[in-house]
Amino acid sequence: EIVLTQSPATLSLSPGERATLSCRASQSVISNNLAWYQQKPGQAPRLLISAASSRATGIPDRFSGSGSGTDFTLTVSRLEPEDFAVYFCQQYGTSPLTFGGGTKVEIK
Amino acid sequence: QVQLVQSGSEVKRPGSSVRVSCKASGGTFSGYPINWVRQAPGQGLEWMGAILPMFGSANYAQKFQDRVSLSADQSTSTAYMELSGLTSQDTAVYYCARATSVTSGLSAIPHNDAFDIWGQGTMVTVSS
Repeated sequence: EIVLTQSPATLSLSPGERATLSCRASQSVISNNLAWYQQKPGQAPRLLISAASSRATGIPDRFSGSGSGTDFTLTVSRLEPEDFAVYFCQQYGTSPLTFGGGTKVEIK
Repeated sequence: QVQLVQSGSEVKRPGSSVRVSCKASGGTFSGYPINWVRQAPGQGLEWMGAILPMFGSANYAQKFQDRVSLSADQSTSTAYMELSGLTSQDTAVYYCARATSVTSGLSAIPHNDAFDIWGQGTMVTVSS
């Protein structure tokens, strides 16, 4: 199965700063079928990005995804207070679908 | 707007089984794969499998192949996940999640996709 490694595990930033999250796959992700989710405590994950760079419906444009093959990045251009959460990447190109371990973006 | 509403929390004994339901409302059900994902306390997300209600066909993660059964009732727009042989390691929140895109209908196998609609989660606690 494809192992996804997210880094860093924790990112401490202030509102207004830029957040850059990394997701590295153990093998190439077919068709760049890579998604990013945001999860807040006690809530289900929310889809932010699919196909590596396509924003989901209703997602603000401060969220952007990039990358291909084995290296992917989620960028939040300017952090808003509601953006402090845990972010997961997921590959859905190959079964079994797998998730990264998550990056927690916390307030500095 | 499609919503997925899951059944309530469960407390189970080791060795028993649990069945979680996921009812869709407000939109099309049959043509979208419904996936099941679990999350142990303080841990990450783990995909268990998917079912395509239109055909009743399922695709399972090998880890759960022998213990999980997915089913769907098109008449009530409800998907079900049953997990048997429970141990304390199965204590987790279980989510159903709908695939982003509808099936082409050319294959009965649930296609892989991102998940755009999630249920609220069902806490399953396994304890003696």
